[in-house]
Amino acid sequence: DGGITQSPKYLFRKEGQNVTLSCEQNLNHDAMYWYRQDPGQGLRLIYYSQIVNDFQKGDIAEGYSVSREKKESFPLTVTSAQKNPTAFYLCASSRGVLISSYNEQFFGPGTRLTVL
Amino acid sequence: DAKTTQPPSMDCAEGRAANLPCNHSTISGNEYVYWYRQIHSQGPQYIIHGLKNNETNEMASLIITEDRKSSTLILPHATLRDTAVYYCIVRVITSGSARQLTFGSGTQLTVLP
Repeated sequence: DGGITQSPKYLFRKEGQNVTLSCEQNLNHDAMYWYRQDPGQGLRLIYYSQIVNDFQKGDIAEGYSVSREKKESFPLTVTSAQKNPTAFYLCASSRGVLISSYNEQFFGPGTRLTVL
Repeated sequence: DAKTTQPPSMDCAEGRAANLPCNHSTISGNEYVYWYRQIHSQGPQYIIHGLKNNETNEMASLIITEDRKSSTLILPHATLRDTAVYYCIVRVITSGSARQLTFGSGTQLTVLP
């Protein structure tokens, strides 16, 4: 079955540690996205990538880093510079670049990160 | 992208139609209306989108007013599993651009037995 997987589902981190969240898709999508969601709020964009080896900052990129070495994978690293990292992190993908009229985003199940 | 306004919460009886409104009075001519929903602690799920004509799929119907300043998502026969936060999003579709979605706070729909 095609889809997006995120791992782990729950993640605990000590303050001051970097941690990497995994996101993999087998939908052959060009574009991938990382969002952050805080309790009772909507999603905010962290980073997005339209194509391999290219990515752009979203609205709240400070304290985060990404890489896009493969089409299928878009890992997110939460660094110690992120002051309030406890949140629900969602990865998404879409056909992206070449499709102009239909650009539905498919979301993964999310990773809940808690900093202790 | 145009800003949207949705009521924070709504209730609906099981089996009845759920009508979720969205105001987007500053929408531009090249902006589409998208609807997503998010069941608690899961990733959002695409429901439907439209430009100016009414749209229907297996999940829902989307009614867009003639002036495009507002729209209504209709779930024709709501079930308990439709309890979720529903997001109305307005965005431009441009060729060659993977534009991100801007999610607001949405409407918490609770379907009551």
